Amino acid sequence: AQSVTQLDSQVPVFEEAPVELRCNYSSSVSVYLFWYVQYPNQGLQLLLKYLSGSTLVKGINGFEAEFNKSQTSFHLRKPSVHISDTAEYFCAVTEGSGGYNKLIFGAGTRLAVHP
Amino acid sequence: DADVTQTPRNRITKTGKRIMLECSQTKGHDRMYWYRQDPGLGLRLIYYSFDVKDINKGEISDGYSVSRQAQAKFSLSLESAIPNQTALYFCATSANTGELFFGEGSRLTVL
Repeated sequence: AQSVTQLDSQVPVFEEAPVELRCNYSSSVSVYLFWYVQYPNQGLQLLLKYLSGSTLVKGINGFEAEFNKSQTSFHLRKPSVHISDTAEYFCAVTEGSGGYNKLIFGAGTRLAVHP
Repeated sequence: DADVTQTPRNRITKTGKRIMLECSQTKGHDRMYWYRQDPGLGLRLIYYSFDVKDINKGEISDGYSVSRQAQAKFSLSLESAIPNQTALYFCATSANTGELFFGEGSRLTVL
């Protein structure tokens, strides 16, 4: 079965510093990959997704992620974070084929941006 | 109005009570899901449905049941609630790429 590992449960960082949130998944077969963000007391919203094509994917709020098939990774990056980026971030991967797929989530990484 | 609406948003109940969480969507998606979120565990899939006549168990279905009343409605029931079912519950919908659209969550506390 597919699994997702987010290597850091918490990432503290100062405002305007770069950040990388790491994500690895278990299967090397064709998958779709996603990053979701959850702001305090809110539901999850899509940050970016990789379905096919270019391995560098750009999302909302200046975030980007790179799909690395050989390393089965999909790390999320931002060159300069803001206080408003403080949130929990979830990496997710599809499991299944033929269009009947469901999403498997990592445990989440809590990003804390300090002034 | 939200595309995916969950009711109630907050509920406190007692051990042994029956609870129903409801979800309705206006996105026109066939696929609907119920997830549970616990701190440090991420989101875990409880049940999912790919159309009105299709219901599937997820990784943590024990103690839960669901009903897909229509394409737009998917309810989650706890027949006899227990304290370790205290969690934040999310309903979600999707088209065929797996991208999920979430409701705002239902926070359930079982005393």
